[in-house]
Amino acid sequence: GNSVTQMEGPVTLSEEAFLTINCTYTATGYPSLFWYVQYPGEGLQLLLKATKADDKGSNKGFEATYRKETTSFHLEKGSVQVSDSAVYFCALLWSSASKIIFGSGTRLSIRP
Amino acid sequence: EAGVAQSPRYKIIEKRQSVAFWCNPISGHATLYWYQQILGQGPKLLIQFQNNGVVDDSQLPKDRFSAERLKGVDSTLKIQPAKLEDSAVYLCASSPVGGNEQYFGPGTRLTVT
Repeated sequence: GNSVTQMEGPVTLSEEAFLTINCTYTATGYPSLFWYVQYPGEGLQLLLKATKADDKGSNKGFEATYRKETTSFHLEKGSVQVSDSAVYFCALLWSSASKIIFGSGTRLSIRP
Repeated sequence: EAGVAQSPRYKIIEKRQSVAFWCNPISGHATLYWYQQILGQGPKLLIQFQNNGVVDDSQLPKDRFSAERLKGVDSTLKIQPAKLEDSAVYLCASSPVGGNEQYFGPGTRLTVT
């Protein structure tokens, strides 16, 4: 069945460090891929998305590339800020059912 | 544009009591979702509505959970009776027809003691 596996946290980095959060997926067909972010006390917000192979989603300095050959959608940012501290969820959209499947989330903490 | 509204934001009940959550989606969004997010896990879909019809409720524990969206706009999710393992954040989301992006509300944090 369809599933998403993402890097376990927590991840703690210093400000301005490079960030990678790994995400791999298993899916039949061609899903759309997403990264959602959940700031403390808030609901999930869409961070970025990619709808087909080799697409790159980007937002707020974050990027992720849809890699069909490695079934991956790793999240990267070149220089993190304290305000990036949140929980990040990788997700895939199983379009035939309009159903989103989420990974378990990765908690990111950035030290000043 | 107003976002997805949910109430209450927090609820504490004892096991075997009943509880209801309310969601008002973004205006014009035909599809509405309820998710359960247990601490440390990703959200799990409980039920999906298209207008006032149920599209998917395969993961809804129907012996104790129920949901309705009578007029195809706002929705309520009920738990009766609650168990300790129901402690979680209940998230509501909506999307337009044909859209691949879901917009989430702030959630209701339920604690069952």
